[in-house]
Amino acid sequence: DTGVSQNPRHKITKRGQNVTFRCDPISEHNRLYWYRQTLGQGPEFLTYFQNEAQLEKSRLLSDRFSAERPKGSFSTLEIQRTEQGDSAMYLCASSLRSRGYEQFFGPGTRLTVL
Amino acid sequence: AQTVTQSQPEMSVQEAETVTLSCTYDTSESDYYLFWYKQPPSRQMILVIRQEAYKQQNATENRFSVNFQKAAKSFSLKISDSQLGDAAMYFCAMGRGNTDKLIFGTGTRLQVFP
Repeated sequence: DTGVSQNPRHKITKRGQNVTFRCDPISEHNRLYWYRQTLGQGPEFLTYFQNEAQLEKSRLLSDRFSAERPKGSFSTLEIQRTEQGDSAMYLCASSLRSRGYEQFFGPGTRLTVL
Repeated sequence: AQTVTQSQPEMSVQEAETVTLSCTYDTSESDYYLFWYKQPPSRQMILVIRQEAYKQQNATENRFSVNFQKAAKSFSLKISDSQLGDAAMYFCAMGRGNTDKLIFGTGTRLQVFP
């Protein structure tokens, strides 16, 4: 069990550029979650997948954000035309099942938009 | 709307002493779960303890225990015999039934003094 991994760990980009983050969940976990955490705040839910199906998206996820989990394994989160307000830590978590089962978090990708 | 409130931005405790972190929540759901997560500095978030809302018995995990008051919608975390390694941000979170998307509070930073 290598845990949840996220790449890159840090990303600095200029406003208006596109960025893509990757999350590799624990291998047998069929649920995958994306959260965003800004300084001094708790994580906020963005979206989640069960296998390859994206089942829910937060209103926080504007049309500049898109997430995929093409084969039910790793997931990508893309932000198009980045804005300074997108600067945050993007966290990925995975779990084996629903109904209160533990979510295992990755180390996060810290995005800085200049 | 579902909310989680942590009213203590910072707490401190001496090594070997006991400290209680407060959390209140609001939900109209009957099917939910409550969690305390720990986020050490520059490290990933890990689960400390979880509580099913339908269980009256308070959860315990070694030195960590909760006081779950369902009617008052209160879910506090007690850390006994505090250790230096307990220093971290602690987030209270609520997960709803089948989706398990987590709603987090703003966190409490716990300092442990030798």
